[in-house]
Amino acid sequence: GAVVSQHPSWVICKSGTSVKIECRSLDFQATTMFWYRQFPKQSLMLMATSNEGSKATYEQGVEKDKFLINHASLTLSTLTVTSAHPEDSSFYICSTHPGNSPLHFGNGTRLTVT
Amino acid sequence: SQKIEQNSEALNIQEGKTATLTCNYTNYSPAYLQWYRQDPGRGPVFLLLIRENEKEKRKERLKVTFDTTLKQSLFHITASQPADSATYLCARPGSNYQLIWGAGTKLIIKP
Repeated sequence: GAVVSQHPSWVICKSGTSVKIECRSLDFQATTMFWYRQFPKQSLMLMATSNEGSKATYEQGVEKDKFLINHASLTLSTLTVTSAHPEDSSFYICSTHPGNSPLHFGNGTRLTVT
Repeated sequence: SQKIEQNSEALNIQEGKTATLTCNYTNYSPAYLQWYRQDPGRGPVFLLLIRENEKEKRKERLKVTFDTTLKQSLFHITASQPADSATYLCARPGSNYQLIWGAGTKLIIKP
């Protein structure tokens, strides 16, 4: 089946620094990548949708200058959390849907900002 | 607004019994509902999709129902095993075709 590889699986950073999260589609071309954030015991919250070669579409309330998304190729999308603060600590997950199939998710990145 | 509601309390089931999880939705009936499994620290994994015109869908020990009158989907795991312990998420398409997710129900199968 389709595989989405997400790295790193966890990261601890200091407040004010930036963190980049990568998602790669290993055996298919991901035209669209969805980026979610999940707080403990809460729903997956869609942050943004990125399409290869174009600007990402951000959900209401998500700061595009803080959460930079790049989708420069059909196999790689990145999310950079800039000037991270403790309130940005969360579980970030990417996903895509090969063809018309349901979503395939990466294994998530646990971000802890100290 | 469109919402997905799942029981936030963990469900404890004895091994071998049938586990039943509930997903309630608001507003109009979606064209389909999806169920995913999520293990701790991992991304969700797709399990089943049931369309509005399907009352029931099965896959091995899994069964999903879709009741448009009750605005509810039930997710059943028969002959449950400890390995079935996980959080199960329900999702529906929203007005902009993005998925709207429930918070998930944690299922614990006790040996």
